[in-house]
Amino acid sequence: DGGITQSPKYLFRKEGQNVTLSCEQNLNHDAMYWYRQDPGQGLRLIYYSQIVNDFQKGDIAEGYSVSREKKESFPLTVTSAQKNPTAFYLCASSRRIDSTGANVLTFGAGSRLTVL
Amino acid sequence: QKEVEQNSGPLSVPEGAIASLNCTYSDRGSQSFFWYRQYSGKSPELIMFIYSNGDKEDGRFTAQLNKASQYVSLLIRDSQPSDSATYLCAVRGGADGLTFGKGTHLIIQP
Repeated sequence: DGGITQSPKYLFRKEGQNVTLSCEQNLNHDAMYWYRQDPGQGLRLIYYSQIVNDFQKGDIAEGYSVSREKKESFPLTVTSAQKNPTAFYLCASSRRIDSTGANVLTFGAGSRLTVL
Repeated sequence: QKEVEQNSGPLSVPEGAIASLNCTYSDRGSQSFFWYRQYSGKSPELIMFIYSNGDKEDGRFTAQLNKASQYVSLLIRDSQPSDSATYLCAVRGGADGLTFGKGTHLIIQP
């Protein structure tokens, strides 16, 4: 079945440590996205990538980094510079944007990061 | 900064009634509009999207769009307890993904 796989599902980190969240998709989608969700809040865009080897900052990119070396993969690194990293992280993908802008985002199951 | 506003709720609706969820957006250039459902602890799943003014129906769900008023709504007919969830409104205005509202928590009372 096609879909998006995020790992790990749960992750605990000590302050000052970098962690990398994995996101892999087999939907042959060009675009991939990382969102962060805090309790009672909507989703906020961290980074997105429309094509391999290219990515753009979203609204809250500070303290995060990404890479897009393969079409299928878009890992997110939460660095020690991120002041409040405890959150639910969601990876999504979509086909390349068409003129209607109606391309649907498909989400992975999410990764829940807790900083101890 | 694009903004999407939703009433956080909770919105309580009796089983079998119509649930009406509302959303307003700030960017007049927004092109398409999405409703996602999110159960507690789970990832969002798409209910439907709309990009033309008017109504779009899919089963028990109807999305309504009024671009002049910058307003989009979701109606759920014959509400079921399984419809209890948080409903996220999202807007696309360009190539940079979707801008989401904070969501409305819907409770269907048996």
